[in-house]
Amino acid sequence: EAQVTQNPRYLITVTGKKLTVTCSQNMNHEYMSWYRQDPGLGLRQIYYSMNVEVTDKGDVPEGYKVSRKEKRNFPLILESPSPNQTSLYFCASSQGRGNEQFFGPGTRLTVL
Amino acid sequence: EDQVTQSPEALRLQEGESSSLNCSYTVSGLRGLFWYRQDPGKGPEFLFTLYSAGEEKEKERLKATLTKKESFLHITAPKPEDSATYLCAVQAAGGGNKLTFGTGTQLKVEL
Repeated sequence: EAQVTQNPRYLITVTGKKLTVTCSQNMNHEYMSWYRQDPGLGLRQIYYSMNVEVTDKGDVPEGYKVSRKEKRNFPLILESPSPNQTSLYFCASSQGRGNEQFFGPGTRLTVL
Repeated sequence: EDQVTQSPEALRLQEGESSSLNCSYTVSGLRGLFWYRQDPGKGPEFLFTLYSAGEEKEKERLKATLTKKESFLHITAPKPEDSATYLCAVQAAGGGNKLTFGTGTQLKVEL
């Protein structure tokens, strides 16, 4: 089954404790993105990747890091999480620009 | 800066009562306009892509249309299972693969 998977699905952590949210897709897609979804603000892009070792900032990259060492994986790293990073996070992938993006099930992160 | 505004924010319909959702947008060169459906606690599910003014696409009870300034999602004879939040997003022609999303229309269809 073609899908985007994320782990963990739920995470409660404390300020400053480094964490990684994993994302994997099995569709051999070139493009991958991370979004956060907040009430009243909609989905906003954090980072995206056009291919292995090629990443770029989205609209809200501050406080986040990403890497793309393999085509299928695109982890999101929070080096020092803060409460304003409490949000619902989605990973997405697409075959190319202009193609539909397929979204993962989401990771609900709470930073205390 | 690309912008997407969706209206209404919430809509309550009776089963079988047709209606339309609006998505107004401004973008520096449109690559594509996307409609997604999102159920509570889940990721957005792709519905349609529209690329140029005048284009229309249909799927079951849903029909999406596009002009140079807005898109409509028409829902014909909705059923309770159509209840969800409907998201509109645009992608600009230049650079990256960013989707700029609206905040969505929360649709509830009642028996």
